[in-house]
Amino acid sequence: DGGITQSPKYLFRKEGQNVTLSCEQNLNHDAMYWYRQDPGQGLRLIYYSQIVNDFQKGDIAEGYSVSREKKESFPLTVTSAQKNPTAFYLCASSPSGGWNTEAFFGQGTRLTVV
Amino acid sequence: DAKTTQPPSMDCAEGRAANLPCNHSTISGNEYVYWYRQIHSQGPQYIIHGLKNNETNEMASLIITEDRKSSTLILPHATLRDTAVYYCIVRVAHYGGSQGNLIFGKGTKLSVKP
Repeated sequence: DGGITQSPKYLFRKEGQNVTLSCEQNLNHDAMYWYRQDPGQGLRLIYYSQIVNDFQKGDIAEGYSVSREKKESFPLTVTSAQKNPTAFYLCASSPSGGWNTEAFFGQGTRLTVV
Repeated sequence: DAKTTQPPSMDCAEGRAANLPCNHSTISGNEYVYWYRQIHSQGPQYIIHGLKNNETNEMASLIITEDRKSSTLILPHATLRDTAVYYCIVRVAHYGGSQGNLIFGKGTKLSVKP
């Protein structure tokens, strides 16, 4: 089935370690996004990519890094520089940057840093 | 920042219509209104979107006022499974750049009660 897959669903890391969250889509979408959600809050944009080998910072990019080497994949690395990494992370994709289309979301990765 | 205003919470009786309001008084002519919902600990799910005209699909109806400054999402026969946070988002219909990104507010928490 076509869709967007995030893995793992739950992730635990020790403070000071970098961790990479996976996001894969087989929808042939050009654009991909990473959001962060804290309890009781809406989603905040971390990074986005409109096309392979290109990505842009969102509203809260500090302490995060991404790559877009393949159209299907947009991994997010939470670095040790991120002060409050514990959160629910959501990946999304859409056919293009801003046309009259909807974005599809993965089921999220809940990261807990102890 | 989100360009929409929604009530933080609403209740609805099972089987009745749920009418969720959204104000977007600063909406531009090339911005669409999108609705997503998020069931607890899952990724947001696309519901419907529209520009000027009212829209209907198998999930819901979207009523947009003539001046486009507000809209209402209607779930015609709410069920317990419709309990979720509903997000109203305005999104520029323009290819490329950050303008097509979805900017989420805190949404409306809809509780459907038996």
